[in-house]
Amino acid sequence: GQNIDQPTEMTATEGAIVQINCTYQTSGFNGLFWYQQHAGEAPTFLSYNVLDGLEEKGRFSSFLSRSKGYSYLLLKELQMKDSASYLCASDRGSTLGRLYFGRGTQLTVWP
Amino acid sequence: DSGVTQTPKHLITATGQRVTLRCSPRSGDLSVYWYQQSLDQGLQFLIQYYNGEERAKGNILERFSAQQFPDLHSELNLSSLELGDSALYFCASSVDLISGNTIYFGEGSWLTVV
Repeated sequence: GQNIDQPTEMTATEGAIVQINCTYQTSGFNGLFWYQQHAGEAPTFLSYNVLDGLEEKGRFSSFLSRSKGYSYLLLKELQMKDSASYLCASDRGSTLGRLYFGRGTQLTVWP
Repeated sequence: DSGVTQTPKHLITATGQRVTLRCSPRSGDLSVYWYQQSLDQGLQFLIQYYNGEERAKGNILERFSAQQFPDLHSELNLSSLELGDSALYFCASSVDLISGNTIYFGEGSWLTVV
């Protein structure tokens, strides 16, 4: 996936906090997306980061460090319905909007 | 519901055949993208159109082609199908090409080649 690296699997329990890390290639970088995808369904937009720092949206937050080529997605107060694949995607190059996706992190939330 | 509509939702066809997948972007969106998702590859960018013109090509095979029509809907044509073409094909759309505009995905078309 064009040098997008993220863990393959993670597990956590209901009510917990989990952080999903993603590293990406910095050349031509425009911005970083996070999507949630349940099996066989469409990816659903979660967040977009272009500047360094933390963006908070309810239970989900996303962080970006452009100099380090690093992002993370933070999920708080985990619920069973958060069990899904979380896709990190970078918008790179001169063609804005063309996304390079990681393989996804399969998160399983246990009761 | 993202507002991006794809048809058909499921399709089973034989090797060597040709199929057409259709996509209607969200109202007002000018940019359309096609992605392929297979079990062993993850989401792979195929091609992008903006207001009827091709803007970028990714890992799209020569057997595949696409176009965007004046009403902004798009079609992905897959020909001489092989077993390995079995995948989930997503269409996505966004307002324009400015970085950061949210890209919304349709529900996908499941293609099974037998």
